[in-house]
Amino acid sequence: GAVVSQHPSWVICKSGTSVKIECRSLDFQATTMFWYRQFPKQSLMLMATSNEGSKATYEQGVEKDKFLINHASLTLSTLTVTSAHPEDSSFYICSVRGGSGRVGEQFFGPGTRLTVL
Amino acid sequence: AQSVTQPDIHITVSEGASLELRCNYSYGATPYLFWYVQSPGQGLQLLLKYFSGDTLVQGIKGFEAEFKRSQSSFNLRKPSVHWSDAAEYFCAVGANTGNQFYFGTGTSLTVIP
Repeated sequence: GAVVSQHPSWVICKSGTSVKIECRSLDFQATTMFWYRQFPKQSLMLMATSNEGSKATYEQGVEKDKFLINHASLTLSTLTVTSAHPEDSSFYICSVRGGSGRVGEQFFGPGTRLTVL
Repeated sequence: AQSVTQPDIHITVSEGASLELRCNYSYGATPYLFWYVQSPGQGLQLLLKYFSGDTLVQGIKGFEAEFKRSQSSFNLRKPSVHWSDAAEYFCAVGANTGNQFYFGTGTSLTVIP
């Protein structure tokens, strides 16, 4: 399977600032990546699907202007939380869709914990 | 609509006892099925997966799961639980086409000595 990394693993920021989270596919060219958010004691909720070279597709209720996604290469997708507020504090996890024969599988990064003060 | 149900929000077992975590899915085609474990503050770790073939799947850490198409279930089992198994467990369903991937709400496992 694919190895996925995220950076940073945790970040603390002040309210109103922007934070960028990187998701890298280390050994696999990923045309499609996904961004999830997980609140404490809850399951993962899909935020958006990131497609290399095109605009991301956002799930209903996710503000695309607040959560900016850029998938500029086959190995890197970034999520920028703009003008972060305390309610944006969460665990953000990215994933990579499997390749041929494994399209239905996703490989997950270790997650990034965002705390907004 | 596709969905994944984990009926048990929280389960407590004694160390050494057997464990079964339930997962039911609703999906129109043949699903890809997964079980993940998540320790507090950590990411997801894949325990096992089912794509096709033998319906009894062996995973890491002594876990196994059985795909029962007639019951739309993919229950996770372990014959003897260790204290280190205490964590959150998620069942998930993926589609063999498209991007759909659905998580259950999770089952929190507590292991008592």
